[in-house]
Amino acid sequence: DTVLTQSPALAVSPGERVSISCRASEGVNSYMHWYQQKPGQQPKLLIYKASNLASGVPARFSGSGSGTDFTLTIDPVEADDTATYFCQQSWNDPWTFGGGTKLELK
Amino acid sequence: EVQLVESGGGLVQPGRSMKLSCAASGFTFSNYGMAWVRQAPTKGLEWVATISYDGSSTYYRDSVKGRFTISRDNAKSTLYLQMNSLRSEDTATYYCTRVGYDGYPLDYWGQGVMVTVSS
Repeated sequence: DTVLTQSPALAVSPGERVSISCRASEGVNSYMHWYQQKPGQQPKLLIYKASNLASGVPARFSGSGSGTDFTLTIDPVEADDTATYFCQQSWNDPWTFGGGTKLELK
Repeated sequence: EVQLVESGGGLVQPGRSMKLSCAASGFTFSNYGMAWVRQAPTKGLEWVATISYDGSSTYYRDSVKGRFTISRDNAKSTLYLQMNSLRSEDTATYYCTRVGYDGYPLDYWGQGVMVTVSS
């Protein structure tokens, strides 16, 4: 299986820029997606195919990368962005998710 | 507005069966692939199964192959997950998701339904 590795947690101040990384154990082309999950809620799609903003998602969110290294950037971070962020690949079977990065605001 | 509403969860004994349903609305159900994703308590996300738009193709993670069956009724805009021979490690919140076109992102998620496998 393709293992996706994310940093477990980050803490930033509102107004700052934050980058969340996701490294794949093998190439996934550009078939990497990012989700936001707030406590007690279902995940929500933010970015699809590495760099495409999902419908209704603020332009503060952006994605980049290809192959094995991907990044989700939030700039500027707002208080409402407190959540866990997951990456997911759909290039290799089975589809796999990263362990999630918990973003906390200082 | 796209809506996915799961039902059918609850407490079940190991080795028994349970069937989840997902009622879809707000889009043409028969045009989209659908998938189930689960999340064990305080854990990460795990893809379970996918079905093509017309039901002709299905895909499963190894740990549920032969035990779980994904199916759909396009006339009723409903997705199903039949779970047999349930194990304690199947305990999780199960999410119904829509598979998007460009790169197969999971572009809409239901609110989830809890399945607890315990004696």
